[in-house]
Amino acid sequence: QIQLVQSGPELKKPGETVKISCKASGYTFTNYGMNWVKQAPGKGLKWMGWINTYTGEPTYADDFKGRFAFSLETSASTAYLQINNLKNEDTATYFCARETTATKAMDYWGQGTSVTVSS
Amino acid sequence: ENVLTQSPAIMSASPGEKVTMTCRASSSVSSSYLHWYQQKSGASPKLWIYSTSNLASGVPARFSGSGSGTSYSLTISSVEAEDAATYYCQQYSGYPFTFGSGTKLEIK
Repeated sequence: QIQLVQSGPELKKPGETVKISCKASGYTFTNYGMNWVKQAPGKGLKWMGWINTYTGEPTYADDFKGRFAFSLETSASTAYLQINNLKNEDTATYFCARETTATKAMDYWGQGTSVTVSS
Repeated sequence: ENVLTQSPAIMSASPGEKVTMTCRASSSVSSSYLHWYQQKSGASPKLWIYSTSNLASGVPARFSGSGSGTSYSLTISSVEAEDAATYYCQQYSGYPFTFGSGTKLEIK
């Protein structure tokens, strides 16, 4: 069965770096794009961008340009989200979500990774 | 950016009631690219309805979706307790993808 399994919760200090993983199984990893979605505590869903798992090309939403980086380890069917120079407002749950090419719907989601930034 | 506005923000319904929630876009969206997600507290979102009116696998037939252009809706013909959740619409009309702010459905 198709699964996206994300890495565990993180507690970081402002200015630090975090790297979240999303390991895919049950399908051909490079056939589907991978999206990243942020959900701040008690808030809605915010699209951060996506990475083309075939070419490795990332696309970032405007609010996530600069400190955020998507990457891949294709041999391990794993996508990564790295956030540099963490700020308090980065405290959130981050989801990876597989994208269906034809409809741009996100049909499978990871369980989410909680990142808490606190001094 | 195509802004999605969902209404109402919160709604309350009794079991058996029919409910409808709406999603309005600031610019036209192809019906192929308008989707709905269900998120229960503490869980990941689930794709619920894709391309306006297609139910995702396992979604009960009491759910339906409709719309075109800038106006879309999700209807539950007879609400059940398990439907308590927040529902988000999402669109693609070029990047960025955007989500609506969600409609929280409470069951009385």
